[in-house]
Amino acid sequence: GAGVSQSPSNKVTEKGKDVELRCDPISGHTALYWYRQSLGQGLEFLIYFQGNSAPDKSGLPSDRFSAERTGGSVSTLTIQRTQQEDSAVYLCASSLSVDIQETQYFGPGTRLLVL
Amino acid sequence: GENVEQHPSTLSVQEGDSAVIKCTYSDSASNYFPWYKQELGKRPQLIIDIRSNVGEKKDQRIAVTLNKTAKHFSLHITETQPEDSAVYFCAASPSGNTPLVFGKGTRLSVIA
Repeated sequence: GAGVSQSPSNKVTEKGKDVELRCDPISGHTALYWYRQSLGQGLEFLIYFQGNSAPDKSGLPSDRFSAERTGGSVSTLTIQRTQQEDSAVYLCASSLSVDIQETQYFGPGTRLLVL
Repeated sequence: GENVEQHPSTLSVQEGDSAVIKCTYSDSASNYFPWYKQELGKRPQLIIDIRSNVGEKKDQRIAVTLNKTAKHFSLHITETQPEDSAVYFCAASPSGNTPLVFGKGTRLSVIA
């Protein structure tokens, strides 16, 4: 079946502009995660949507970052007034249930470059 | 909160040799420890995980060991092959809905 997909695969933007990154999780998966992967770094947790419960936003680095998940499926990560330090690969993952110990399936990522 | 340290950051081994990657964690409440493999230009994929009620788990050439007293866990790859070359990430999670905390990754190179 189809895996997690993300778009765009690459995004180049100018400092100060807003960007929207999209994630399509595996159909039927209740949980959805966003991570940021900077060069040479691990996977930094950003936000976690857990079914109908309030999302866990504890990893968002600043109020310029926000995310929503409409209809329990597609999610959009928005970065406002982008800065050069926002340049990274943004990965989305989904899992069947909201239990963190459920296997997470990752998308291919969106590589963001802020000039 | 949880903090995960991973060592080494890079590792080179000859084909056929074994590779060991170690992680330590800080939160004694952590009870789930997955390992993800990320090949160059590809997405991370779960390769093995262990829960705190067991000390070791094996799957063909890979195994993970857990020492809860010392708060560390390790990935062991035996008879390494070139296709094992990738970045490996460990992670830890204290409970069912606390987000995973990842290590910074280990770049493994298997030299033919």
